[in-house]
Amino acid sequence: AQSVTQPDIHITVSEGASLELRCNYSYGATPYLFWYVQSPGQGLQLLLKYFSGDTLVQGIKGFEAEFKRSQSSFNLRKPSVHWSDAAEYFCAVGAFGGSQGNLIFGKGTKLSVKP
Amino acid sequence: NAGVTQTPKFRVLKTGQSMTLLCAQDMNHEYMYWYRQDPGMGLRLIHYSVGEGTTAKGEVPDGYNVSRLKKQNFLLGLESAAPSQTSVYFCASSLTTGTSGRKYEQYFGPGTRLTVT
Repeated sequence: AQSVTQPDIHITVSEGASLELRCNYSYGATPYLFWYVQSPGQGLQLLLKYFSGDTLVQGIKGFEAEFKRSQSSFNLRKPSVHWSDAAEYFCAVGAFGGSQGNLIFGKGTKLSVKP
Repeated sequence: NAGVTQTPKFRVLKTGQSMTLLCAQDMNHEYMYWYRQDPGMGLRLIHYSVGEGTTAKGEVPDGYNVSRLKKQNFLLGLESAAPSQTSVYFCASSLTTGTSGRKYEQYFGPGTRLTVT
């Protein structure tokens, strides 16, 4: 069965430092991959997506992610974190099979930012 | 465009009471979804709909019912609320046109925080 793993439950970084959030998926073919961000008390906002083509994708708010097929990974990166990036981040993969657009979500990584 | 809206934002129920959560989208999306979010569990799919008049069960459907009488609305019902249904509920929608990946690109509402005592 397909699954998404986010190994880090909670990460703390200093403002201005670089960030990498890890995401691993299990899926045989090329997956559709997504990163969402959830600020406290808010819904999920789409940060970026990978469907095909260039394995480095750019998203909103200065985030990028790299698809690495050999490692079954889709890690999220940002070169310089801002205090407003403190939130929870979810990686998701499109569920294979069927005509519906179901997503399988990881359990999330909570990001704290130190001043 | 309001996107995806959810009503109400907060609700407190007593065990055994019933209620309906309303989700509305103005993006002409075919697919709609209901999730629940619990600490440490991520998002779990309750029910989904691939079009007006059709619904299907997701990962955790027990204790919930849904209806999609109009394309833009997706209702989630709790017939007899239980404390285990205390959660934050999110609605989402997605397109079916365009590249095949687009149907997975879901847009979320702001959520409903439900407490069952």
